[in-house]
Amino acid sequence: GAGVSQSPSNKVTEKGKDVELRCDPISGHTALYWYRQSLGQGLEFLIYFQGNSAPDKSGLPSDRFSAERTGGSVSTLTIQRTQQEDSAVYLCAEEGQGWNEQFFGPGTRLTVL
Amino acid sequence: EDQVTQSPEALRLQEGESSSLNCSYTVSGLRGLFWYRQDPGKGPEFLFTLYSAGEEKEKERLKATLTKKESFLHITAPKPEDSATYLCAPGDAGGTSYGKLTFGQGTILTVHP
Repeated sequence: GAGVSQSPSNKVTEKGKDVELRCDPISGHTALYWYRQSLGQGLEFLIYFQGNSAPDKSGLPSDRFSAERTGGSVSTLTIQRTQQEDSAVYLCAEEGQGWNEQFFGPGTRLTVL
Repeated sequence: EDQVTQSPEALRLQEGESSSLNCSYTVSGLRGLFWYRQDPGKGPEFLFTLYSAGEEKEKERLKATLTKKESFLHITAPKPEDSATYLCAPGDAGGTSYGKLTFGQGTILTVHP
């Protein structure tokens, strides 16, 4: 059924490699968020896209992290030169009908060896 | 800086044993308190939004309440299928990002049959 989808569901990579994580949103939602959830930790905000406005990148942990959203739809989170501490579940969410009601995708589990 | 504390960290209940989860928060101005449920290996699932002190919302065996500094998630006669991690997240009206939420660490609820 309809819902936010993310790919891949699991990604194992070697330290130093670049990775791209994809989020496919529900059609019509204008706001998109990326969060990171490390083992035993809460959800950590990374970046926020709202329509045509400049994205809020205040949560990105380093300049190795970047994200883009093409045509107000699909979003890609890129991590360059991955480190072991980047291992986490990366979740994207879209804003639904309610005020700040966010719908989450299933996440991508990233493991950096 | 926004702060969110959830307690207890973990809660074990027998089927039918009612209890409550707590979410204490500090924000400059609350524009919504959100509750989510997260099952292992899945993204958070939206449950409730509360906007003002005194507000209550119910869904099946769950009832969420809100004061100026806390929110409670009451679970009445829980069933094993209610086992999950419950997350709360206040939205800050004074935050730089309209939609950014600060999530608590969550309460891991286990209901034994």
